[in-house]
Amino acid sequence: GQQVMQIPQYQHVQEGEDFTTYCNSSTTLSNIQWYKQRPGGHPVFLIQLVKSGEVKKQKRLTFQFGEAKKNSSLHITATQTTDVGTYFCAGLLGNDYKLSFGAGTTVTVRA
Amino acid sequence: GAGVSQSPSNKVTEKGKDVELRCDPISGHTALYWYRQSLGQGLEFLIYFQGNSAPDKSGLPSDRFSAERTGGSVSTLTIQRTQQEDSAVYLCASSPRGTGLARHEQFFGPGTRLTVL
Repeated sequence: GQQVMQIPQYQHVQEGEDFTTYCNSSTTLSNIQWYKQRPGGHPVFLIQLVKSGEVKKQKRLTFQFGEAKKNSSLHITATQTTDVGTYFCAGLLGNDYKLSFGAGTTVTVRA
Repeated sequence: GAGVSQSPSNKVTEKGKDVELRCDPISGHTALYWYRQSLGQGLEFLIYFQGNSAPDKSGLPSDRFSAERTGGSVSTLTIQRTQQEDSAVYLCASSPRGTGLARHEQFFGPGTRLTVL
């Protein structure tokens, strides 16, 4: 069953606004990765977080890994139409090769 | 090639027929993964290869599904006696390595869209 939960499932955002998507695991993660899938495309790796409390930024995207390494978030500021797509978090649950993907947050942007 | 390739890109088959999906990983990547993505859903893990070995086949939905990898490179996913519920996009991904906490992001192929009529 799904071991990594992601919310919200859908996010409708006005262009220029900020939003956050959250990822939660019931067990401690060894690391967490984020992927973006554009409509009709395939998932593309964005970033990997390994350390407790780690924060990484990529331009308007800010990724956080919780202190307990059980949750993560992706915050996008000043949303643009290029941000449209589905954002997946994926965590390693103990073993070190099998990623457990969240269900994804599908983002649409109103111009 | 520069990335992961998959073939065919689209496959339409009749219920009960067998299909074979192919994945060519990035050269030198030792780890290879198969996932299934149904419309609007997340990624369902199917199987993982480290080299030619598949230490984890736990995600294969039934014994109609099998996969192999040869030469540490190309992998094929075979679905026998296809059912309508097998319709989905089958994604392959490769990674430089499958173990350890070093960076091992997965590089995905474009997928094979399977439609079972």
